[in-house]
This record gives sequence, structure tokens and C-alpha cells, in this order.
Amino acid sequence: AQSVTQLGSHVSVSEGALVLLRCNYSSSVPPYLFWYVQYPNQGLQLLLKYTSAATLVKGINGFEAEFKKSETSFHLTKPSAHMSDAAEYFCAAAYSSASKIIFGSGTRLSIRP
Amino acid sequence: GAVVSQHPSRVICKSGTSVKIECRSLDFQATTMFWYRQFPKQSLMLMATSNEGSKATYEQGVEKDKFLINHASLTLSTLTVTSAHPEDSSFYICSAPLAGGLYNEQFFGPGTRLTVL
Repeated sequence: AQSVTQLGSHVSVSEGALVLLRCNYSSSVPPYLFWYVQYPNQGLQLLLKYTSAATLVKGINGFEAEFKKSETSFHLTKPSAHMSDAAEYFCAAAYSSASKIIFGSGTRLSIRP
Repeated sequence: GAVVSQHPSRVICKSGTSVKIECRSLDFQATTMFWYRQFPKQSLMLMATSNEGSKATYEQGVEKDKFLINHASLTLSTLTVTSAHPEDSSFYICSAPLAGGLYNEQFFGPGTRLTVL
């Protein structure tokens, strides 16, 4: 079955440190890939998306993700964490333009002062 | 970007009553909308796919008689939780894809917090 795996349900970094949130997908066919952020009691906001145009995708708020087919990964990074980055992050995949989106289990990012 | 709204944002109801949640695409038409359920500190679980002009498609394990979905127009889908019970308390989120793109970019509503007493 197609799935999205996020390693680490909780990641804590210091303010100014590198943020790395891991995501792997299970499929021999590269899907469309997304990273969403969710703040408490709110809906989801799209951070960035991979649509096969470029393997390194830049998103909003300084985040970027790199698609690595050999590793079936789409990890999210940010060079320097900010307190406002504290939120829940979801990796997601869609296997065709008309298919439903499959979400990973989410990673809660905490930022230490 | 495209905007999806949900109403109400919060609702508290007594056990046994029915609750209707609306999902609207404000500036685009959506022939398909998706309904998700999210338990505290968990991921989003797809409940059903709402199709304009036809029956909704429910995911395995989701009771279609419990969660009634009506996609009345190209901009409105409703989810009715019938005879709600405390275990139905959850955060319900809808989304709508923007048609015509090369990929399935979905726009999410802000969510509805349902609390059943």
C-alpha cells in the first residue's frame, strides 16, 4: 500500500539551529509530494510542493525540501530555526493529479530559546 | 491563492443531536472536495470524497449513514454528523483541489472543532 512515513513524532531544536524533518514515501513511481504546516486549532498551510520540475524545492518561510528518488525521500530543511516555526508539520503525497492525498503521521517541531 | 472556508469553526452539541458542517470554495469551483478527521496530536485521516452531483465515496471503516455528505453545488459541500456521540468529537477539515493543474494541489479549510457532550 502507498504510504508516507515521517521519522520522529517530535523534533526539538534551538533557535537559530538547522531544522531537518524527515519524510519517506513508498512507491516505485514518484508521487507529487507536499509539506504542510499546521498551527494549533487551524487548518493546513502549504509550505512547498514537488511536481517533478526540480528536485530542490523552495517554499515559504525559508523552508526547502529535496526530492531524492534513490532514497524515496523528501526531507524538509530550514537553515536557521525561528520561534515562530514551532508547529506541526505534515508530509503528504498524491499519486496522480486526481487522487487523494496521503498524509504522514506528522512531526511536532519545538524551538528552544 | 484559492480560499476554502468552513462554518462553523467550533460547535458544541449534546449527544444524540445532528451537526452540519459547511465547506465552501470561495473563489473557485470544486467538483470534488475531501473531508478529513483529525484526532488530537494525530494526522489527518481521509473520511470521504465529496463529488458534486453524485454520491460521496467513503473510506473503509467510515459509516456513511453516520457521516452524511452532500455536495450541493460547485462551491459547497456539507458534512452532517448524525446522532453525534462523544467519540465523534474531533477536528474536521475539508479541502478542495484546484482543477486544471498538473498536480493535485489541495486547499484546506481552517477546520471545525466538534465537541459532543
